[in-house]
Amino acid sequence: DIQMTQSPPSLSASVGDRVTITCRASQTISSYLNWYQQKPGKAPKLLIYAASSLQSGVPSRFSGSGSGTDFTLTISSLQPEDFATYYCQQSYSTPMYTFGQGTKLEIK
Amino acid sequence: QVQLQESGPGLVKPSQTLSLTCTVSGGSISSGSYYWNWVRQPAGKGLEWIGRIYTSGSTNYNPSLKSRVTISEDTSKNQFSLKLSSVTAADTAVYYCARVYSSGWFAAFDIWGQGTVVTVSS
Repeated sequence: DIQMTQSPPSLSASVGDRVTITCRASQTISSYLNWYQQKPGKAPKLLIYAASSLQSGVPSRFSGSGSGTDFTLTISSLQPEDFATYYCQQSYSTPMYTFGQGTKLEIK
Repeated sequence: QVQLQESGPGLVKPSQTLSLTCTVSGGSISSGSYYWNWVRQPAGKGLEWIGRIYTSGSTNYNPSLKSRVTISEDTSKNQFSLKLSSVTAADTAVYYCARVYSSGWFAAFDIWGQGTVVTVSS
């Protein structure tokens, strides 16, 4: 199975900060990498697909980059509603989809 | 606008079978390019893909659960279902149904149900 490792596991930041979350795959996955945001008690929400494509309706302060094994999610200027847990997910080894363990973004 | 809604018992006894249904509205589960999935999340933990159904009832399962999982569909009701047998406390989780949209160059979970909590306890 392809393992997905996110770092850091948690992160404290302030409104207006630029934040970067990293996801590393245990083997190359080309650009088959998606990012999700999950708020407490809610289902995950797709933010970025195919490593860098912004899902419709998602604010442009969210961006993704990377290919192969190393990927990043960047939030250019944190807003209060962005404090949540973020997950990466690979779809290279379809159908065995795997998720990272999550990065919890908290208010400093 | 496609929406997914999980339903089923919130409490299941150990060794019994967990049964959940996902009702899809605003679109047909028989549509091409879509895969209909179950994902679970134990409290405070990450997301685990359970399995999927697509194209005339074809299925794929997570190997770690394959011996206990069955996913089926009822196209007349626009529903798909999950059965997980021989449950233990480790199967206690929020269970989500979710749609994967797949093209030639990506596949992503683009629509999720709200999730349903299932507790395994006697």
